[in-house]
Amino acid sequence: ETGVTQSPTHLIKTRGQQVTLRCSSQSGHNTVSWYQQALGQGPQFIFQYYREEENGRGNFPPRFSGLQFPNYSSELNVNALELDDSALYLCASSSRQGAGANVLTFGAGSRLTVL
Amino acid sequence: AQKVTQAQTEISVVEKEDVTLDCVYETRDTTYYLFWYKQPPSGELVFLIRRNSFDEQNEISGRYSWNFQKSTSSFNFTITASQVVDSAVYFCALSEVKTSYDKVIFGPGTSLSVIP
Repeated sequence: ETGVTQSPTHLIKTRGQQVTLRCSSQSGHNTVSWYQQALGQGPQFIFQYYREEENGRGNFPPRFSGLQFPNYSSELNVNALELDDSALYLCASSSRQGAGANVLTFGAGSRLTVL
Repeated sequence: AQKVTQAQTEISVVEKEDVTLDCVYETRDTTYYLFWYKQPPSGELVFLIRRNSFDEQNEISGRYSWNFQKSTSSFNFTITASQVVDSAVYFCALSEVKTSYDKVIFGPGTSLSVIP
């Protein structure tokens, strides 16, 4: 079974630009979550998608948006980039069993640097 | 508010030593899940264990063991006879069940270095 794959692995953007990060879920998983991990900190929940709809969101502004596609792959879009958006963005997929109980399978992340 | 605290920012041990990583959590919920994940230098978080709030039985898996004490809101992780491959950042995490989605709250992590 294939794991979670993310692209690109590294990218550099300038303040004010927009970025799209991509994620392919693990085979058999129908739920995708995105996390932001700043340097030296734990991951912070951005949002989760299930059945192509956002069904939960953390404390992130609307300029963070996403999509989930019928094949359960996903995109994270960030508009109007700010310097504080520099972080490792992690995608995690899961097979929905019940809220809170699901084990997340993570990708290796996309490291975004905003200059 | 829910919160996970890992007071140890960095730990260094010599290979074959035992090491315990501390985790203290805060929640008002009576039903919740606790997790430990390992993040090696490659970046992806690797699942180690899940425990629900009603199961306080300690667990052992090879060199790994976990001590869940609800009375002190702690979920500590012990590695016995540490190896260099154990070097990584370890995260303790808490997940609600009252929401319709998986909102996982991670602690700040403990960076473990095992010195040969």
